[in-house]
Amino acid sequence: DADVTQTPRNRITKTGKRIMLECSQTKGHDRMYWYRQDPGLGLRLIYYSFDVKDINKGEISDGYSVSRQAQAKFSLSLESAIPNQTALYFCATGDFQETQYFGPGTRLLVL
Amino acid sequence: AQKVTQAQTEISVVEKEDVTLDCVYETRDTTYYLFWYKQPPSGELVFLIRRNSFDEQNEISGRYSWNFQKSTSSFNFTITASQVVDSAVYFCALSEAEDKVIFGPGTSLSVIP
Repeated sequence: DADVTQTPRNRITKTGKRIMLECSQTKGHDRMYWYRQDPGLGLRLIYYSFDVKDINKGEISDGYSVSRQAQAKFSLSLESAIPNQTALYFCATGDFQETQYFGPGTRLLVL
Repeated sequence: AQKVTQAQTEISVVEKEDVTLDCVYETRDTTYYLFWYKQPPSGELVFLIRRNSFDEQNEISGRYSWNFQKSTSSFNFTITASQVVDSAVYFCALSEAEDKVIFGPGTSLSVIP
């Protein structure tokens, strides 16, 4: 089984809808991250969490929120989706030396 | 503030050629980590290597080698005798101690048979 899982893998939604992307990990890491990938822009950090009680904004947090329900779970929400949030979203965990272990990604299309 | 630059957006080489992917970083910390990740066409992100700032020793792993030079703030990645399976986007990344990881924009490598 994969160490970092993301659900759903693909999602199509409409402008204005609220959606949640979920991430679970079995690596036992305290650190978890949400990134967004757009063509030519690399990976941009949305939110990160160093433990269950520690949530931090990344460089592009506007329009997103997160919830760290447990050490193993870190969810990303789009409160009111807009078309420019169409992207590939990755969840990752990080070990104490910050090596990142990525989930398979979620392709999101906002119409 | 930390920053990672990968000036090469796209590179194309013919199979069996050597290729070097450049990475230049900026940080004020003396303790930090540098990374390379690979993203093949299938889309997953694969960890390749981590280097800490106190270890400037170059590393070789099969056809892959990494050249870390603090004097020029560079952490370059060389693939020797490239193969079609090396075609991917490669990301360099930086993490300051106890801080988040910042990724460069990536270099897309195409190896032509």
